[in-house]
Amino acid sequence: EILMTQSPATLSVSPGERATLSCRASQSVTSNLAWYQHKPGQAPRLLIYGASTRATDIPVRFSGSGSGTEFTLTISSVQSEDFAVYYCQRYDHWPPGIFTFGPGTKVDIK
Amino acid sequence: EVQLLESGGGLVQPGGSLRLSCAASGFTFSDYVMIWVRQVPGKGLEWVSAISGGGDSKYYADPVKGRFTISRDNSKNTLYLQMNSLRAEDTAVFYCARDARYGYYDYWGLGTLVTVSS
Repeated sequence: EILMTQSPATLSVSPGERATLSCRASQSVTSNLAWYQHKPGQAPRLLIYGASTRATDIPVRFSGSGSGTEFTLTISSVQSEDFAVYYCQRYDHWPPGIFTFGPGTKVDIK
Repeated sequence: EVQLLESGGGLVQPGGSLRLSCAASGFTFSDYVMIWVRQVPGKGLEWVSAISGGGDSKYYADPVKGRFTISRDNSKNTLYLQMNSLRAEDTAVFYCARDARYGYYDYWGLGTLVTVSS
């Protein structure tokens, strides 16, 4: 089973600052890595897939990078609406195994 | 516009059963693998189950295997999760999601809360 870890657990930033979130896989997932944003009471939102491709209507301040076992989600200038929990997820083609989510990084206001 | 709307959550006693539904609209439902994911209060996201577009292939996470059954009715554009032998640790918000054909999930519902307690 491939395990996903994320760091830090909590990231405190001021609006306008850059935020860098990390995700690590216990073994290579090539570029099969997605990032989601989740706010309380809302549906999770797909931000990035293929490690670096922005999903539909996602602002350009969100960017993803990495491959293999090390991945990064960067928010270039954090806006008030970006305070949320961010999850990485490794995925694979059908049939699905256990598609593991990371434990999440909470981005909160400094 | 793609929409997913879960229903059926509620309070149930340990050992009880509940059936969740997810009504889909805005896309050709039968073309897509559908997923259930849950979030225990204060915890992260946990993949629960998946079903192929035709409903013939089904997959479950180990903690729910043998207790939960995923199904779909493509004539009604609805996904289901039958949950039996519920435990306190099943207390969670359950989300349905659409698999974007590659294993990541491009649309999610708002979720429905299941509380297992006596």
